[in-house]
Amino acid sequence: NAGVTQTPKFRILKIGQSMTLQCTQDMNHNYMYWYRQDPGMGLKLIYYSVGAGITDKGEVPNGYNVSRSTTEDFPLRLELAAPSQTSVYFCASSNPSGFYEQYFGPGTRLTVT
Amino acid sequence: GNSVTQMEGPVTLSEEAFLTINCTYTATGYPSLFWYVQYPGEGLQLLLKATKADDKGSNKGFEATYRKETTSFHLEKGSVQVSDSAVYFCALSDKQVSGNQFYFGTGTSLTVIP
Repeated sequence: NAGVTQTPKFRILKIGQSMTLQCTQDMNHNYMYWYRQDPGMGLKLIYYSVGAGITDKGEVPNGYNVSRSTTEDFPLRLELAAPSQTSVYFCASSNPSGFYEQYFGPGTRLTVT
Repeated sequence: GNSVTQMEGPVTLSEEAFLTINCTYTATGYPSLFWYVQYPGEGLQLLLKATKADDKGSNKGFEATYRKETTSFHLEKGSVQVSDSAVYFCALSDKQVSGNQFYFGTGTSLTVIP
């Protein structure tokens, strides 16, 4: 049982490039989330999904896109990367039939230069 | 709306000292409350939780009690160890909010010195 896995662990992008951050969970959780963590700022929700085919914006969605074609996968797409997107990105999942605690992946550290 | 306020860090303690990290919340519904811990270079791990008023969550010597009257969920440990050095996040979830979104505090960095 791997839990929540994320790839890549690290990435450096040039301004204007695009990339997809991958997130997979093997716990059969319906709910999945993407956060960004800036130094000293806590976590901010980018997008979330309550099931395959259903996604919605969080607090800071601009510059990002998501899709959810399967229960297991929830990729985050960055289009036209900007220095302001330099951050650590965390994916999480939760089971709505439990107490809703979220399980986090190890994170992707992204630098845009 | 929902929000979480945590005490500012960083916090530096000697080994075996008593730890308190304050957390207060604002919620429109009946939230569940959580403490997460983040070790350097890792993701967040659930430390403990409480799902209703007066519940006490506990794990690895850490405790926190859900106090509705003071809207607080302070984290305590009687004797910290060097291995407890990490960043601690208080969070709440509200089932009435779409997707059961979490609201996180800004985190409190703890360093324990031998």
